[in-house]
Amino acid sequence: NAGVTQTPKFQVLKTGQSMTLQCAQDMNHEYMSWYRQDPGMGLRLIHYSVGAGITDQGEVPNGYNVSRSTTEDFPLRLLSAAPSQTSVYFCASGDLFRTGGNGYTFGSGTRLTVV
Amino acid sequence: DAKTTQPPSMDCAEGRAANLPCNHSTISGNEYVYWYRQIHSQGPQYIIHGLKNNETNEMASLIITEDRKSSTLILPHATLRDTAVYYCIVRVGLTQGGSEKLVFGKGTKLTVNP
Repeated sequence: NAGVTQTPKFQVLKTGQSMTLQCAQDMNHEYMSWYRQDPGMGLRLIHYSVGAGITDQGEVPNGYNVSRSTTEDFPLRLLSAAPSQTSVYFCASGDLFRTGGNGYTFGSGTRLTVV
Repeated sequence: DAKTTQPPSMDCAEGRAANLPCNHSTISGNEYVYWYRQIHSQGPQYIIHGLKNNETNEMASLIITEDRKSSTLILPHATLRDTAVYYCIVRVGLTQGGSEKLVFGKGTKLTVNP
C-alpha cells in the first residue's frame, strides 16, 4: 500500500548509543520531515527536506542529523542518544505546499525510549 | 505564520455534529487554514484546508468567517472513531514566500460520547 513507512516501530537505546530511524515513502513526494511528540504535547518539527540533497532545520534539531540522498528515503540519525530524546517520532511526506498540494501524509511512528 | 487558539477540549454526542472552533485573528490574506487530527497515538491525519471560501470533503466541512479571523471544522455526524486531537494550523502560501515548515499547536481534544 502506498504511504509512509517508518522502521522500527519500537526501540530501546542506552544513553550514548547511536541509531538511525528509517522513513520511506512511495508517493514521489518532494517534501519529507521528522517530528517528535512528547507525552501530552503537540508535535515539534526536527528537520525537513524539500527535495533530494536539500535539508533544513526545524524547531528542535539539536542531537539529530538527516540526509536526503533519494526522493524516497529520509533517515533520522541520533548521534549520541540521551534520555531527553525519549519520544515518539513521526515522519511525514507530501507535495510541496507551493504546488498546491493537500496536507501531508504521516507515518505510524517510532516509539523510542532512551535509558 | 499566524498563531491559532483552540479550546483544549470538547465533548460531542455520537451522531450529532461536532463543531470545533479556531481563532486566528492575526491571519494574513495569503495564509491558508489547515486542519489535521491525531487519533490516540497514531500519526496525524490531514482533514481539510481552505483560504477564503468554505470547503467540504468526505470527512468534514470547513467554515471560514468573512473576516477570516476564525474558522470552524464541522464533523456532520460524529462517531466514536472521531475521538481525537484536532489541530488547526495557518500557513502562508509559498507563492508569497511561505515556508514548508508545518508547526503544530496543542489542538483540541474531542471526545465523542455514546
